This record gives sequence, C-alpha cells and structure tokens, in this order.
Amino acid sequence: AQKITQTQPGMFVQEKEAVTLDCTYDTSDPSYGLFWYKQPSSGEMIFLIYQGSYDQQNATEGRYSLNFQKARKSANLVISASQLGDSAMYFCAMREVNYGGSQGNLIFGKGTKLSVKP
Amino acid sequence: KAGVTQTPRYLIKTRGQQVTLSCSPISGHRSVSWYQQTPGQGLQFLFEYFSETQRNKGNFPGRFSGRQFSNSRSEMNVSTLELGDSALYLCASSPWTSTDTGELFFGEGSRLTVL
Repeated sequence: AQKITQTQPGMFVQEKEAVTLDCTYDTSDPSYGLFWYKQPSSGEMIFLIYQGSYDQQNATEGRYSLNFQKARKSANLVISASQLGDSAMYFCAMREVNYGGSQGNLIFGKGTKLSVKP
Repeated sequence: KAGVTQTPRYLIKTRGQQVTLSCSPISGHRSVSWYQQTPGQGLQFLFEYFSETQRNKGNFPGRFSGRQFSNSRSEMNVSTLELGDSALYLCASSPWTSTDTGELFFGEGSRLTVL
C-alpha cells in the first residue's frame, strides 16, 4: 500500500531563513506524482509544487524547491527566505496509480505545522 | 477566474440527521473529488467524480454518498450523522487532461460539527 510519512509534527524557523520539511513515501509503482500543499488557518489547500517520478531535475517554484531523492524515497520541501505568511500546515501527498477511468486520488501525510518567528 | 466554491462553510447538526454539502468547481474542470479532514485521521479520500460518474471511492461507509451534475457541480451527502463525522470536508477540482500533472485545486472546505 502507498504511504506518505511526515515525521515533523511542528517546526519553527526564523524569518528570512531557509527551512526543510521532510517527507518520505512508500510505493511499488514506478510511475507516481508527489505534491506539496500549504493549508493556512482558513482551511483551503494551496498547491505549492509537483515532482513526477520520472523527472530528472528537482522541481522549483519561486521560493519553494523539492529535494527529490528517488532511491531514498524522499521528497523534502525547502522553503527559502521564510516569511511570516508561510506559517501554516504543510502536507506532502502522492498520487495513486491511475486506475481505469480514474485520475487517481491523493494520499496525504499527517502534515507539518510551520511557525515563522519574526 | 473563480476558484472552487463550497457551501455552506460552517454547519452544526445533531446525531442522526443528514447533511448535504455543495461544491462548484473551477470553470472548465470536469473532475471533482472530496476529502475528509479530521485531527485524528488526517486527510482521507472520499470519492471522485468525472462527467457525472463516480470513478473512484475511498473506504467510507455507505452513509457517505455523492453525485455530480451535468455542469460539473457536485454534492455530497452524509446520512445518519455520527459524532465522528465532525470534520472539514474539502472539495477539489481538476481539469483532468492528458498533459496536466494531476494537481488538485481545493476549496476552503465545509466545516461540519455533529453534536
């Protein structure tokens, strides 16, 4: 069964510093997608970054980058130059295999609560 | 472009009642998925609809049901509510094309409290 593990329930980071949020995954499928979402207190899940299992390079989106180590089955999120607005829950997710007729659902980790200190 | 809209945002029900939640996807998105989020279980997949057909279903009892209309709007229903159904219910839409990454666009959720 596919599984996502986020071992850091909570993290603190000083404003303007970089922070790494850990994510490991388990799957036997050769084709999969990995996602990071941010959830502020409002509840909405905001897409941050995507990494495909066959992508050769690590994904980057502005201040977000994904440290993808396929052999270790890890997909850590790196946030550079943290801002106060980055304080939120962060979820790592993986897309299950695409069954016939289905796009496949996301499997989420338990999340990491990031607090940015001024 | 309007995002995913969920209504109502907050609601309180009592045990045994039923509830219907509504989701309007982003214009042009044909796939709608529903997720339940609780402090204990985290985010769990409920079901996925595409072109009015349920394409995938999570491991939830039959009290949880859903449907999708021809305009891609979706509703989910929970009957005979239990205390454990208290949760944030998130709807997500996707264009579901052959070239997209499968990114889901989420609404702000409907927060259900069962007393």
